[in-house]
Amino acid sequence: DGGITQSPKYLFRKEGQNVTLSCEQNLNHDAMYWYRQDPGQGLRLIYYSQIVNDFQKGDIAEGYSVSREKKESFPLTVTSAQKNPTAFYLCASSPPGGISNQPQHFGDGTRLSIL
Amino acid sequence: GQQLNQSPQSMFIQEGEDVSMNCTSSSIFNTWLWYKQDPGEGPVLLIALYKAGELTSNGRLTAQFGITRKDSFLNISASIPSDVGIYFCAGYGGSQGNLIFGKGTKLSVKP
Repeated sequence: DGGITQSPKYLFRKEGQNVTLSCEQNLNHDAMYWYRQDPGQGLRLIYYSQIVNDFQKGDIAEGYSVSREKKESFPLTVTSAQKNPTAFYLCASSPPGGISNQPQHFGDGTRLSIL
Repeated sequence: GQQLNQSPQSMFIQEGEDVSMNCTSSSIFNTWLWYKQDPGEGPVLLIALYKAGELTSNGRLTAQFGITRKDSFLNISASIPSDVGIYFCAGYGGSQGNLIFGKGTKLSVKP
């Protein structure tokens, strides 16, 4: 089955620790995205990547980092600089042809909490 | 930046009733998308709209792209318990490429 796989489902971070959230897709999509979702809020864009080895900051990139070494993979690292990391993190991808106007398809999310 | 106002924020309805929710934008959008999110899962695309005035159905769901290109609505007919969840509108505006999301409408159904 084609889809987007996020892992782990739940993740706990200690103070001062960096953690990495995994996102893998087998849809052959060029563009991939990371969003943060807080209760009662819409999705806020952290980073996005239109092509391998290229990525752009979204609206709330501070305290996060990404890499795009393979088309299928777009891992997100939540660094110790992110002081309020507790949230639901969603990865998405969209078909070839540019990022505008293409529907994005989402994984099932990773819930990150602070220990 | 561009913002989407989605309403209502939440609604409780009797099973079998029809539901209507809408989104409005401060600027013109080129594409409207409607998603549903179940608890603990990612949003699932319900309907995509690409043209002003477009009316599209997906089963009991119907969505329309407003003529002014600044709004969209989603209707659910004859609601059932599995319609429970959060519905998000999202859109692509003309001035930037990123997808903008509304804050969601939380739907609860009384059996």
